[in-house]
Amino acid sequence: DGGITQSPKYLFRKEGQNVTLSCEQNLNHDAMYWYRQDPGQGLRLIYYSQIVNDFQKGDIAEGYSVSREKKESFPLTVTSAQKNPTAFYLCASSKGGSSYNSPLHFGNGTRLTVT
Amino acid sequence: GQQLNQSPQSMFIQEGEDVSMNCTSSSIFNTWLWYKQDPGEGPVLLIALYKAGELTSNGRLTAQFGITRKDSFLNISASIPSDVGIYFCAGQRDTNAGKSTFGDGTTLTVKP
Repeated sequence: DGGITQSPKYLFRKEGQNVTLSCEQNLNHDAMYWYRQDPGQGLRLIYYSQIVNDFQKGDIAEGYSVSREKKESFPLTVTSAQKNPTAFYLCASSKGGSSYNSPLHFGNGTRLTVT
Repeated sequence: GQQLNQSPQSMFIQEGEDVSMNCTSSSIFNTWLWYKQDPGEGPVLLIALYKAGELTSNGRLTAQFGITRKDSFLNISASIPSDVGIYFCAGQRDTNAGKSTFGDGTTLTVKP
């Protein structure tokens, strides 16, 4: 079955450490996205990528970095510069290209706790 | 950035009741989407709306794309316990390169 896989489901880190969240999709989608979700709030866009080797900052990119070396993979690094890293992180993909308004397909998220 | 105002923030209803929630924006969107999120999981698409005035159903769910392109509503008829979750609206604009703007969600609790 096609889908998006995020790993790990739960991640614990000490303050000051960088941490990388994995996101892999086998839907052959061109576009991939990272969202952050905090309790009682909607999803806020961190970074997105419309094509391999290209990505754009979203609304809350500070303290995060991404790469898009392969179509299937879009890892997110939460750096020590991110002031409030504890959150639920969601990766998504969409067809992209000429289907730029296609719906998002989401992974099941990674809950990051930084202490 | 653009904001979507989604209401109500939460709803507590009895099984069998109908539910209505809506999203409004000060900006025009070309696509409206409704997602449902179960606890600890990612959102799943319920309904996608692509034309102003469009009314679309998916089982007990009905959603409409407002004629002004600045609002949308979602209705759930005859609610059941598995309808529990967080419902999000999302808007897309053609110039946004596929980015979606999300509302803050409506948390639905259904009492058996």
